[in-house]
Amino acid sequence: DGGITQSPKYLFRKEGQNVTLSCEQNLNHDAMYWYRQDPGQGLRLIYYSQIVNDFQKGDIAEGYSVSREKKESFPLTVTSAQKNPTAFYLCASSMRGPVTEAFFGQGTRLTVV
Amino acid sequence: AQSVAQPEDQVNVAEGNPLTVKCTYSVSGNPYLFWYVQYPNRGLQFLLKYITGDNLVKGSYGFEAEFNKSQTSFHLKKPSALVSDSALYFCAVRDGIGNTPLVFGKGTRLSVIA
Repeated sequence: DGGITQSPKYLFRKEGQNVTLSCEQNLNHDAMYWYRQDPGQGLRLIYYSQIVNDFQKGDIAEGYSVSREKKESFPLTVTSAQKNPTAFYLCASSMRGPVTEAFFGQGTRLTVV
Repeated sequence: AQSVAQPEDQVNVAEGNPLTVKCTYSVSGNPYLFWYVQYPNRGLQFLLKYITGDNLVKGSYGFEAEFNKSQTSFHLKKPSALVSDSALYFCAVRDGIGNTPLVFGKGTRLSVIA
């Protein structure tokens, strides 16, 4: 079954902790993306990667970090420097090129407790 | 810079009536436009896209969208709404320059009332 898998579905973080959100795809896509969704604000880009071992900051990268060691995997770490991390996080992937649509995972809801 | 505006936070329509969800865009080069739908606590599902050619694009679940270059718009339409169409709809744009990520609007919540 092809697709994008995000885990966990729900995640709780204590103040001062780093947490890592997993994103795996078996679509053989080169490009992968992380978006953050807050009510009324749409989707905002955190980081994206177009090839292995390379990634670029999006509009709201502060307090986040990523790695792209394998084509299939693009984990996102929410660090303690992110002051307001409670949100719905969406991972996506696509083939390279402007005409291709992105495919999304089911999301991870992160809550600070 | 690319941007998308969805001027309506909420659209209400009666079941069986036609629906329109509005989207306008701004890009430097040629626009590539996309519509997605999101159900509660789920990821986004792709509905349709405009690349080039015919201004009326047909997509999944009976949805279509009309590209209007002079008005820089890409409105989503459906001739007859269903209660099950109630969801959050996102318009997105990517320009034809390089491999830039999709830029999304803030979303429009569609409520179809029986």
